[in-house]
Amino acid sequence: ELKVEQNPLFLSMQEGKNYTIYCNYSTTSDRLYWYRQDPGKSLESLFVLLSNGAVKQEGRLMASLDTKARLSTLHITAAVHDLSATYFCAVLPGPLVFGKGTRLSVIA
Amino acid sequence: DVKVTQSSRYLVKRTGEKVFLECVQDMDHENMFWYRQDPGLGLRLIYFSYDVKMKEKGDIPEGYSVSREKKERFSLILESASTNQTSMYLCASSLTLGAYGYTFGSGTRLTVV
Repeated sequence: ELKVEQNPLFLSMQEGKNYTIYCNYSTTSDRLYWYRQDPGKSLESLFVLLSNGAVKQEGRLMASLDTKARLSTLHITAAVHDLSATYFCAVLPGPLVFGKGTRLSVIA
Repeated sequence: DVKVTQSSRYLVKRTGEKVFLECVQDMDHENMFWYRQDPGLGLRLIYFSYDVKMKEKGDIPEGYSVSREKKERFSLILESASTNQTSMYLCASSLTLGAYGYTFGSGTRLTVV
């Protein structure tokens, strides 16, 4: 059974600081997704990482994938309040299996 | 852009009622999914469908059934609603089972009283 673990589950960070969210998964997969969810809203696709060593960046967010370690990271640079949301990673094969999410709160 | 539309944003139903949650996608996607989202548990797969009239159980199918009579529509049915089915329900679709990410609907927040 594929298991996906994210940590931390809750993250409160100050504006301007850097931090990393980790996503570990239990079986082989070469495709990993990151989603963002704002309170009361649905999931919005952020990144898809397709191969070992893949790195994607969008604004202050950068995601990477290490398939050998079965690990993906979502790095936040110089956080701003607008990044406050819940972030999910999700992994194949088969229907996507999601982590429990990391609830990020960026405070002044 | 693919649109996935869930018919109700909020629903309140009574225990024992039969509940239908409807989901429609407009991009001819083969695959459709129903997840429920609960605090601290993330998203859990209830059922999915990879073709018309085809369905597969996910991780938590108990108490639910589904119907896919047309490619664009995937319905989740709660045969006899119970309070432990109070949750946010998210529908998603994708072109293939594995190669592409999913597009999610806006969700239905169901409360069973």
